[in-house]
Amino acid sequence: QKEVEQNSGPLSVPEGAIASLNCTYSDRGSQSFFWYRQYSGKSPELIMSIYSNGDKEDGRFTAQLNKASQYVSLLIRDSQPSDSATYLCAAELYSGAGSYQLTFGKGTKLSVIP
Amino acid sequence: GAVVSQHPSRVICKSGTSVKIECRSLDFQATTMFWYRQFPKQSLMLMATSNEGSKATYEQGVEKDKFLINHASLTLSTLTVTSAHPEDSSFYICSAEPGNSYEQYFGPGTRLTVT
Repeated sequence: QKEVEQNSGPLSVPEGAIASLNCTYSDRGSQSFFWYRQYSGKSPELIMSIYSNGDKEDGRFTAQLNKASQYVSLLIRDSQPSDSATYLCAAELYSGAGSYQLTFGKGTKLSVIP
Repeated sequence: GAVVSQHPSRVICKSGTSVKIECRSLDFQATTMFWYRQFPKQSLMLMATSNEGSKATYEQGVEKDKFLINHASLTLSTLTVTSAHPEDSSFYICSAEPGNSYEQYFGPGTRLTVT
């Protein structure tokens, strides 16, 4: 079964620390990966996309992709209380008949403690 | 860019009535739109995939006759919850895919309460 797996958390980090969120995916052929942030009661918001092995940085966020290990991570530097949210990992997985579908993990809840 | 709107943001209806939710991509054309449902403290559940001009593809366990989806144009998809019941109360979220990547952009969601 095609899956995207995340630790549900909660992950608690002190303000100013680095938060590390991890995700694995089942389809070795996947090429596109995304991180979404969802605040409580709100809809998900796209914060990062990554397509190539290695690191991609955007402000305080760094996405890391290792296709050989089928592993994606998101690092948040200098974590702020406003970063407290659920982070959803998504990967494009093969869904059959030549088509791919964006599949979401269940999300990791992050709490940044002031 | 990549803004998706939903209307209404919140709706309360009586059991047995129907509710229509609109999803619009405001600054891009969406070849594909998606409808999700999320119950409190649970993860996103994909209900159906909607392609402009063709029938929606429903996920297993989602009743296509209860959740009617129409994708009449490249910027508008609608979800109609027919004969709503209290167990249909949930947060309904649409997303749209511009077509040149798998990125999905989400609308703000519609909170449905059926009394």
